[in-house]
Amino acid sequence: GAVVSQHPSWVICKSGTSVKIECRSLDFQATTMFWYRQFPKQSLMLMATSNEGSKATYEQGVEKDKFLINHASLTLSTLTVTSAHPEDSSFYICSARGGLVTSGSQYEQYFGPGTRLTVT
Amino acid sequence: GQNIDQPTEMTATEGAIVQINCTYQTSGFNGLFWYQQHAGEAPTFLSYNVLDGLEEKGRFSSFLSRSKGYSYLLLKELQMKDSASYLCAVRDRKELSFGAGTTVTVRA
Repeated sequence: GAVVSQHPSWVICKSGTSVKIECRSLDFQATTMFWYRQFPKQSLMLMATSNEGSKATYEQGVEKDKFLINHASLTLSTLTVTSAHPEDSSFYICSARGGLVTSGSQYEQYFGPGTRLTVT
Repeated sequence: GQNIDQPTEMTATEGAIVQINCTYQTSGFNGLFWYQQHAGEAPTFLSYNVLDGLEEKGRFSSFLSRSKGYSYLLLKELQMKDSASYLCAVRDRKELSFGAGTTVTVRA
């Protein structure tokens, strides 16, 4: 299957600083990338959807000025957590999809390994 | 969006069978997925159903009834390594939404 990487795999930062997380599709062109957040013992919550070359679409309740998403190329999307606070500590997972969504197409969305963010 | 429900926890014995149920409500149904997630790791794909019926893949099988908004994941011959969270996810026309996950604990 397709490979999606994330960097860093874990990061610890101080409150008030910004952290950038990279998501790369290694062997396919990702027209759409998704960013999820997962708190302990909870499910993945979609934060935003980004299409290459256009602005990201944020889910309700997610602050676009705090979680900056850039999808500048077909293989790279970045999530920047600005002015991080302890409540932003979470597991951030990106997912990439190439092409159009069609019925019967099952292997379209691939997940990265996740980034564990701890804000102290 | 979707409303996806699955049990929070299940416990079973090594070698046994466990069935994890998932019910959902959605418009524009475009497939149901099951993922396995170990603690601290990203989800890994297990199965996909878009038509009614049973899909079998080794020790894991998944069933779908679109009219009932119902699916289950069947894990056979449980092994200790199967202890994980199992996520039911439903896709509509454009996005994938996840249930809260079912934590399965396999005991010796």
